[in-house]
Amino acid sequence: SQQGEEDPQALSIQEGENATMNCSYKTSINNLQWYRQNSGRGLVHLILIRSNEREKHSGRLRVTLDTSKKSSSLLITASRAADTASYFCATDARNNNAGNMLTFGGGTRLMVKP
Amino acid sequence: SAVISQKPSRDICQRGTSLTIQCQVDSQVTMMFWYRQQPGQSLTLIATANQGSEATYESGFVIDKFPISRPNLTFSTLTVSNMSPEDSSIYLCSVAQGAADTQYFGPGTRLTVL
Repeated sequence: SQQGEEDPQALSIQEGENATMNCSYKTSINNLQWYRQNSGRGLVHLILIRSNEREKHSGRLRVTLDTSKKSSSLLITASRAADTASYFCATDARNNNAGNMLTFGGGTRLMVKP
Repeated sequence: SAVISQKPSRDICQRGTSLTIQCQVDSQVTMMFWYRQQPGQSLTLIATANQGSEATYESGFVIDKFPISRPNLTFSTLTVSNMSPEDSSIYLCSVAQGAADTQYFGPGTRLTVL
């Protein structure tokens, strides 16, 4: 079963608005990574946040991590039409034998209307 | 970050045939993985490609169906054998330099089986 669950599954906003996507997971993790995927293409890495970090920023992106609640959020501020994509969280579970094996959430499909 | 290429980028194949997908990285990497993304779904790990030894497969995936090679630290192949329409998916390779590190993805191979 998937480690992560994301909500909402789909989000539609106007350009300039902020978009918030949430991710929950089940087991202890080493880190959590967020990716973007445009229309069935490869995944673009956005941010990695480690289990001992609570917040990270990268440009218009802000990621939070709450290990007590086993949840993370991705905030995109001042959204643009080019941000339209699917966004996935992926967890690297602690103590897994494969080391760095990622388990993906179901993804959020974001549409930003011009 | 590593530059990853995949060949072919897409293919349409007949039922019962096999397709080999190549993944090339521009630098030596410790870990390489293969994922499958079925239509409208998230990513699922198929296997970890181990250099010089047999790949490590996840539950639900077997070597006879998805043989994997990794002859060196920059190259791996995934074969989808005896294909059926249910194998229609995007297949992605990914790389990481170590456990708990950022994982980067290739552009994917979109496979359609008729």
